[in-house]
Amino acid sequence: GAVVSQHPSRVICKSGTSVKIECRSLDFQATTMFWYRQFPKQSLMLMATSNEGSKATYEQGVEKDKFLINHASLTLSTLTVTSAHPEDSSFYICSARDQEYQPQHFGDGTRLSIL
Amino acid sequence: GQQLNQSPQSMFIQEGEDVSMNCTSSSIFNTWLWYKQDPGEGPVLLIALYKAGELTSNGRLTAQFGITRKDSFLNISASIPSDVGIYFCAGLRYSGNTPLVFGKGTRLSVIA
Repeated sequence: GAVVSQHPSRVICKSGTSVKIECRSLDFQATTMFWYRQFPKQSLMLMATSNEGSKATYEQGVEKDKFLINHASLTLSTLTVTSAHPEDSSFYICSARDQEYQPQHFGDGTRLSIL
Repeated sequence: GQQLNQSPQSMFIQEGEDVSMNCTSSSIFNTWLWYKQDPGEGPVLLIALYKAGELTSNGRLTAQFGITRKDSFLNISASIPSDVGIYFCAGLRYSGNTPLVFGKGTRLSVIA
């Protein structure tokens, strides 16, 4: 149980392109989803928290107009990196949980490379 | 944001050896979690601890929730090559819809 699917697993695109990453909870309803960014050999850096049907809460320093998050259903959240540039290249990971005090379960991540 | 103090940062061990890593915090947590991350993948939950003093096993893995609620350790017995990866501790507070607080990770290398 508690499977989170993230798609795509890898994206390579040109600078200026917008990229959408999907995060789905397959066997539970995710009231809350989280988006992380991870640089090589570092821990996970929380970007934003999203609750179904509400606007996402962004961490300090994360541009909400750059990283658009939508959590329109209890099983799907999307992260759109708008007008991506090489510095946006990173490993993006989503996670989800069904209840407030339960562990988060993670997707397999998306490797984004902007040329 | 806040992070937990996780140590050691990295370990190189021989296959068959036991491994121990720990996390400490200056404030209490209600839940402690241990995750493992393989290269190019997302973290996978290994063990969840919900009560102070709780000792929980998952195969060769054993973790404990410190009695002060400010620390936790993870032990791996008789390590094997597939134990290689990065292990993260994470803490959760029951105060609003808060995300996990992560340690910086312990990178484990197993030499056959």
